[in-house]
Amino acid sequence: EAGVAQSPRYKIIEKRQSVAFWCNPISGHATLYWYQQILGQGPKLLIQFQNNGVVDDSQLPKDRFSAERLKGVDSTLKIQPAKLEDSAVYLCASSPRQGRGNYGYTFGSGTRLTVV
Amino acid sequence: SQQGEEDPQALSIQEGENATMNCSYKTSINNLQWYRQNSGRGLVHLILIRSNEREKHSGRLRVTLDTSKKSSSLLITASRAADTASYFCATVAGPSGSARQLTFGSGTQLTVLP
Repeated sequence: EAGVAQSPRYKIIEKRQSVAFWCNPISGHATLYWYQQILGQGPKLLIQFQNNGVVDDSQLPKDRFSAERLKGVDSTLKIQPAKLEDSAVYLCASSPRQGRGNYGYTFGSGTRLTVV
Repeated sequence: SQQGEEDPQALSIQEGENATMNCSYKTSINNLQWYRQNSGRGLVHLILIRSNEREKHSGRLRVTLDTSKKSSSLLITASRAADTASYFCATVAGPSGSARQLTFGSGTQLTVLP
C-alpha cells in the first residue's frame, strides 16, 4: 500500500510571500489531517477533513491559512501571507475511518517550511 | 493545546538496555497512541491502547495505561541504535459522533548509543 505523499519536501520563502503544500492520502482513507510541527514540539492539528468536508478547523489561523480537499482525495494547504513564526514542518496524515480515532494515523514525510 | 506531557524530555542509553518513557495527560480519553519520529521524517504509528486496556505488547514494545492516574508508559526492551528517534504519545478524546483527533505531547528524544 502506498503511503501518504506530500510535496514539496522543503520550501524556503520570504515573509509575506505565499506558499502551498500538497497531500495525497492513502487510497480509500476518508479522513485527512494537517498538522503543524514547530521544531522541538509535538504536532498541532490545524484542520481535519472527512471526505471533502471540514470537520474541525478551530486551530487554523484563518486570516492567513486556508485548506481544501477537492473530491475527497488530495488536499492543499496554503499560507498567505507567511510570517516568520510559520516556519515549521507541515504534516499530512490520513486514517481509514470517519474521525472516530480508533485507528492509528498514517503520516507523510512532511514539508519543511522556512520563512526568512 | 498539548494534551500529553512526556517524561523525560531526553533519554540516552546504551544499546541492549531498556528504555522507558512516560506520558501524562489531562482529560478522559478514548485511546492513547505512541508514535516514533526519526529526524526529518514523518511520524510512524507504533501502538494503540484503548481506555479499557491496561497493557499491550508489540514486539519489543510494551505499553501500559493507568486511566486513574491519567498516565501511560512505553517500554522498549533490548534497545538498538536504530531505535534512536523522538517518541510521542497522543490521545484521542471526545464523545461518540464528535470530531476526534490525535492530540500530541511534546515528545521524548531517545538516543541509543552503540
